[in-house]
Parts: sequence; structure tokens; C-alpha cells
Amino acid sequence: GDSVTQMEGPVTLSEEAFLTINCTYTATGYPSLFWYVQYPGEGLQLLLKATKADDKGSNKGFEATYRKETTSFHLEKGSVQVSDSAVYFCALRRASGGSNYKLTFGKGTLLTVNP
Amino acid sequence: DVKVTQSSRYLVKRTGEKVFLECVQDMDHENMFWYRQDPGLGLRLIYFSYDVKMKEKGDIPEGYSVSREKKERFSLILESASTNQTSMYLCASHPSGIGSSYNEQFFGPGTRLTVL
Repeated sequence: GDSVTQMEGPVTLSEEAFLTINCTYTATGYPSLFWYVQYPGEGLQLLLKATKADDKGSNKGFEATYRKETTSFHLEKGSVQVSDSAVYFCALRRASGGSNYKLTFGKGTLLTVNP
Repeated sequence: DVKVTQSSRYLVKRTGEKVFLECVQDMDHENMFWYRQDPGLGLRLIYFSYDVKMKEKGDIPEGYSVSREKKERFSLILESASTNQTSMYLCASHPSGIGSSYNEQFFGPGTRLTVL
């Protein structure tokens, strides 16, 4: 079945450091890929997405590129801020049509950014 | 903005009680989901519904049931709460359709349930 593996946390960085959170997936066909973020005390919200190979999703300084050859969708940010402290989830949605809108999530990575 | 609301942010119940968690979305989405979130396990799908009165089991349906009588409302029911159901419960909705604008799942703020 489908699965998502993301690097285990927690990750602790100083402000302005470079961030990478690794994410790899297993799925048939060409799934859509997502990064969701969960700030303390809140639900998840979509951070960025990519729907086909070599697509780059970007938002709020974060980027991730859909790499079909390595089945990866790593999240990067060049300079993190304290306000980026949150839990980050990588997720995929199977490419099949119909009513299949289920997402498969990774286990989440807690990021803490210190001033 | 899409709004997904959940009836309670925090809930404390006793073992054996029947528990109702309510979720309402205001964007006429066909698809709704219930997840539980536990440290180290991420999000796990309990049940989902793709239409009124329709439901399908997710990955961990045991001990739960759901109800979808109206399109905007999706209820999660714990028939007899147990301590291992202490968790964060997240509701989400997702529009049907093809294309980028149909490719986002919207989440509520979550209900932290404690079963004593």
C-alpha cells in the first residue's frame, strides 16, 4: 500500500539556519504530494503541494520538488524563523480518480527554532 | 475562507461513556474525514465519507462509528470510550473535482479527548 516516510525529529535549529526535512514515498502511479504544517494548538494547514514530477511547490519561503526518480519530496527553507516552529507532515494522495480523496501522512517532524 | 469547526477543543470523559464528536464545514464539500493524531504515529484515518449517508472505514475504525445525515456535518461516535482512545481528533473536508483547486484538504482545530 501507499506509505510516506519522513525524517524523525525533533529538529532544533537556530534562527536563520538552513532547514531540510526529508520525505520519501511509496505509491503506484503518480501521486500528488503535500506538506502540511501544524502550529501549536491548531489543526493542519496546507503549506505547499506538487502534482507531477519535477514540479516545485513553494510558499512562505519553503520549497519542495517532486522527484519521481528518487520518490522524494524534501522540504527546504533557506533561513528559518522562530515563527516556523511547528510540526510538519509530508503526505500523498493517490493518483487514481473517482472518489478517492484520502491522504496518506508521514509521522510528522517537530521543528523548534531558537532565537 | 473555508471553515471546519469542531464542537469542543477539550473533552474529558469516563471509561464506558458514549462520546460524540461533531464536525461542521461551511464550503459544501462532499468528502469529510476523521483522523486521530498520536505522538510518534502521525495522523491515522478512522473513517471517511464521500456523500451524505455514505461512509467508509479508514485504517483504524475499531471502537468508532460515524454519522453523516447532512452534507455539512460529520459526527464521530465512541460507543463505549476506553482509555486507549485518549487522543487528539482531527476532522477534515475535501472538495470533489479535478484540478489544482480541488487538491487541498481543510482541517478543523482538533478536539483533545481524555478518557479517564
